[in-house]
Amino acid sequence: AQSVSQHNHHVILSEAASLELGCNYSYGGTVNLFWYVQYPGQHLQLLLKYFSGDPLVKGIKGFEAEFIKSKFSFNLRKPSVQWSDTAEYFCAVNDPGGFKTIFGAGTRLFVKA
Amino acid sequence: GAVVSQHPSWVICKSGTSVKIECRSLDFQATTMFWYRQFPKQSLMLMATSNEGSKATYEQGVEKDKFLINHASLTLSTLTVTSAHPEDSSFYICSALVASYNEQFFGPGTRLTVL
Repeated sequence: AQSVSQHNHHVILSEAASLELGCNYSYGGTVNLFWYVQYPGQHLQLLLKYFSGDPLVKGIKGFEAEFIKSKFSFNLRKPSVQWSDTAEYFCAVNDPGGFKTIFGAGTRLFVKA
Repeated sequence: GAVVSQHPSWVICKSGTSVKIECRSLDFQATTMFWYRQFPKQSLMLMATSNEGSKATYEQGVEKDKFLINHASLTLSTLTVTSAHPEDSSFYICSALVASYNEQFFGPGTRLTVL
């Protein structure tokens, strides 16, 4: 069965610090990978997704993620975080042709101004 | 972008009553919608996949007779929590799938509190 593991449940950073959130998945075949963000009081939004091609994916708001197949990882990065990046971040996976999506436990990011 | 709404945004009910939650895709049609449950400080747990015009597919451990799903049109899916109990209190989130993009658009969620 597919599973998604996010290493950090809570992260606290100061503004301008660099961010990397870990995500590992468990699945033997080809996967589609996603990062979603949930800002306080708002609904889930897609940050970026990887289906195929260049393993370095750029998303909205300066976020990017790198798919490393050998490590079953899809870590999210941002070079310089802002206070407005305070939110909860979810890594997710589904298989091509199937739309059932499995979510990680989420990482709560708090950025200090 | 695609917008998904949920109604109500929050509901408080007495134990033993039934509650209906609506999920609507406002500017697109969705043959497939998903219902999730989110516990405090936990991730989204997929409850069921709702397909327009057919029976929903429930995940293991989810009681289909308790969580009734009806996807009667291409823009509306409903989740009815029947004979609700306090342990059903949770945050329920729906999403609508745009299959051509393999992208889900999420509703804002419904907070259910059963007294």
